[in-house]
Amino acid sequence: SAVISQKPSRDICQRGTSLTIQCQVDSQVTMMFWYRQQPGQSLTLIATANQGSEATYESGFVIDKFPISRPNLTFSTLTVSNMSPEDSSIYLCSVEEGRMRHSYNEQFFGPGTRLTVL
Amino acid sequence: GEDVEQSLFLSVREGDSSVINCTYTDSSSTYLYWYKQEPGAGLQLLTYIFSNMDMKQDQRLTVLLNKKDKHLSLRIADTQTGDSAIYFCAELASGGGGADGLTFGKGTHLIIQP
Repeated sequence: SAVISQKPSRDICQRGTSLTIQCQVDSQVTMMFWYRQQPGQSLTLIATANQGSEATYESGFVIDKFPISRPNLTFSTLTVSNMSPEDSSIYLCSVEEGRMRHSYNEQFFGPGTRLTVL
Repeated sequence: GEDVEQSLFLSVREGDSSVINCTYTDSSSTYLYWYKQEPGAGLQLLTYIFSNMDMKQDQRLTVLLNKKDKHLSLRIADTQTGDSAIYFCAELASGGGGADGLTFGKGTHLIIQP
């Protein structure tokens, strides 16, 4: 199974600044995902990041606010731009391993990045 | 839209069985998952069930799926203190142009009483 690391593990940031979160996987994966878990809420998918194409954003999330890079099959970054206190969340990246689309595709999650915006 | 509902807390005594319930609304769900989140750790996949199954057993875990009622449950037999965690129900819809991301419930916090 994939082993995923994220940096930073936590950060406290000032309003109006930006933070880039890195996600590193120990194997090559096609599909990577970024989720947000706001306090007391469930996980919400932000976007899907496939290598070699633009990220696909879910409703309510836009590229200007959450730019994503996916330069290769083992790495991705999520930037939280122009932060406000409402962006305080845990941000998780996940990867999907599976043989076929819509077969059993296990998703593995990173440990998360806890972001606090003051 | 898609929605996954779970109760927020469940308290059981050590040694008893725990049953965590989940309802979902998307009838096109292909796979349903149970994830476990221990304090300070990432999500860990516990088990999954394909939508054409109604039961799956894996050691102490039993998953029951009632597709007609869109109801999923996770039973943990002989609950131990190490089972204390938040359990997330998640569904994977059959697609339709979107990403293969999962839709999660808010999680059920399982509390074990000694």
